[in-house]
Amino acid sequence: AQKITQTQPGMFVQEKEAVTLDCTYDTSDPSYGLFWYKQPSSGEMIFLIYQGSYDQQNATEGRYSLNFQKARKSANLVISASQLGDSAMYFCAMREGRYGGSQGNLIFGKGTKLSVKP
Amino acid sequence: GAVVSQHPSWVICKSGTSVKIECRSLDFQATTMFWYRQFPKQSLMLMATSNEGSKATYEQGVEKDKFLINHASLTLSTLTVTSAHPEDSSFYICSARDIRDTDTEAFFGQGTRLTVV
Repeated sequence: AQKITQTQPGMFVQEKEAVTLDCTYDTSDPSYGLFWYKQPSSGEMIFLIYQGSYDQQNATEGRYSLNFQKARKSANLVISASQLGDSAMYFCAMREGRYGGSQGNLIFGKGTKLSVKP
Repeated sequence: GAVVSQHPSWVICKSGTSVKIECRSLDFQATTMFWYRQFPKQSLMLMATSNEGSKATYEQGVEKDKFLINHASLTLSTLTVTSAHPEDSSFYICSARDIRDTDTEAFFGQGTRLTVV
């Protein structure tokens, strides 16, 4: 079974509108972290936002917010007021805690290609 | 945030030659480094995890003799693709973290686009 599922291969959004990118995860570990990264065509991985499994509140970073629904095991990314520069691939990722401490590697979803239309 | 520098950003090599990719943590001690590979239009797949001063742990299906990883210091890890072939052409990206600080994320290098001709 996939650990991270992103069901939207591609998404379009009008400039200045909000968009939600879906992500569901699967883990039996009570301690985990969820990440969103943006990957432009240059290839670099740009960290956007992080949500810990024990965090009570949804994470927010500027125009990015994470809609964390623990019972549903979903961690959707919301981008408000989309800009042309937001066009890129977006990856959801999870880091699972392991007994004795986490090695910290990330498990990635397949990504969503976001295109912002002017 | 912390900076991880990866070089080269792109490289073209002939089939059968070896290529070395460096990953450096510039302002923190990277006790653990991760090497990922990304084929076009696909996700990042973990190749191996290396801890400073010990042998790397490779993921299933990754040939350790082909992808040599050295993590000799707390700031440098290298990935050497030996006897490269066209099917090794891919985007390789490293990330690093200080495992002693459990609150830190893993920071990524800029990636290396390898083309084997």
